[in-house]
Amino acid sequence: NAGVMQNPRHLVRRRGQEARLRCSPMKGHSHVYWYRQLPEEGLKFMVYLQKENIIDESGMPKERFSAEFPKEGPSILRIQQVVRGDSAAYFCASSPRTGGGLYEQYFGPGTRLTVT
Amino acid sequence: AQSVTQLDSQVPVFEEAPVELRCNYSSSVSVYLFWYVQYPNQGLQLLLKYLSGSTLVKGINGFEAEFNKSQTSFHLRKPSVHISDTAEYFCAVSEGGSGNTGKLIFGQGTTLQVKP
Repeated sequence: NAGVMQNPRHLVRRRGQEARLRCSPMKGHSHVYWYRQLPEEGLKFMVYLQKENIIDESGMPKERFSAEFPKEGPSILRIQQVVRGDSAAYFCASSPRTGGGLYEQYFGPGTRLTVT
Repeated sequence: AQSVTQLDSQVPVFEEAPVELRCNYSSSVSVYLFWYVQYPNQGLQLLLKYLSGSTLVKGINGFEAEFNKSQTSFHLRKPSVHISDTAEYFCAVSEGGSGNTGKLIFGQGTTLQVKP
């Protein structure tokens, strides 16, 4: 059973470009969370999605950031017009949100975004 | 609003010595509590969780934690550490009860450095 997969693992973008981060949850998981880890800081919640629905986006910056989790395919975190301050590690976690895994989240290896 | 404070940013300890990593939280509602470990350039792995019941929780790799409601603490302990325990440790909370969305609020992290 493959774990949570994220790609790319490393992404370099110039200021003003777009960054697309992908997350494939564990098999059978239909709930996805995105977190951001800035240098020298802990992880901060960004957004929680179910298939085709955004449930909680209270941690998302108001501009330039968006997320989706379509019926088919991976969840996508999109950052438009990136700035140096967006440089961070972005982690995706998935959860079955049922049964014994109701409160457990399984994290992917992260995407490390560098904005030059 | 919930918050988590990890009182030590770095904890150096010699191999085979005991260790305690401290975590305090604040919340106006009931919470679920978690400890995660992050090895360099990897995602987070769940060590243990407290949802309800016994306040002493045992996790993987010989770690345990005790929930203390009156002191709003959830300290992580291991009686004898190994070099391989060197990593970043994160304490996290999630709102309990029917309002739970699974969103995790993380502390700043504690770097455990095990020396030979």
